[in-house]
Amino acid sequence: GAGVSQSPRYKVAKRGQDVALRCDPISGHVSLFWYQQALGQGPEFLTYFQNEAQLDKSGLPSDRFFAERPEGSVSTLKIQRTQQEDSAVYLCASSLARGQGAPETQYFGPGTRLLVL
Amino acid sequence: DAKTTQPPSMDCAEGRAANLPCNHSTISGNEYVYWYRQIHSQGPQYIIHGLKNNETNEMASLIITEDRKSSTLILPHATLRDTAVYYCIVRNYGQNFVFGPGTRLSVLP
Repeated sequence: GAGVSQSPRYKVAKRGQDVALRCDPISGHVSLFWYQQALGQGPEFLTYFQNEAQLDKSGLPSDRFFAERPEGSVSTLKIQRTQQEDSAVYLCASSLARGQGAPETQYFGPGTRLLVL
Repeated sequence: DAKTTQPPSMDCAEGRAANLPCNHSTISGNEYVYWYRQIHSQGPQYIIHGLKNNETNEMASLIITEDRKSSTLILPHATLRDTAVYYCIVRNYGQNFVFGPGTRLSVLP
């Protein structure tokens, strides 16, 4: 199907390593979101793109977290110098539009499970 | 913080209706009620959303009280595959989704 895809599905990193997580949104979706989900908790918002513009990064927990979407489609979430507390599932979601009265249903990918040792 | 309150867990017999409650007593006039669910090891899946009127689609029905301070998601004939965490979210267009801990629904054979 043509859903949101994420890679890798699983990532094990040693503390201090840099990691890059990829998200392929649904084709034509303008808005893209990243969430972090700790074990047993609901997803927490990290950042939001409209096309290539990062309009909200208020949820990024530290300056070690960086996201980009240079051509307005694929997005990468990068975590520098990973720490054990970064271990979580990182979810990507996309939607057709935002703030234009549309339902803004967000479609989620399967997530990347990151384990930092 | 999430603007909703849900029971942490519920059980439902297979084939019976599952009624999942959600309290949102501070909801404002322009805020919608959304429901998502998350099956183990998958991303959240959209179920339904509404503003004032009751809504129904192929997955579920959403009943919103007249004062809009609470709602109920109804799965009319629960199956084992409906076992998941169900999230009730209140938001306006253009706002971020804020997920609470949700309700863990277990459908029992």
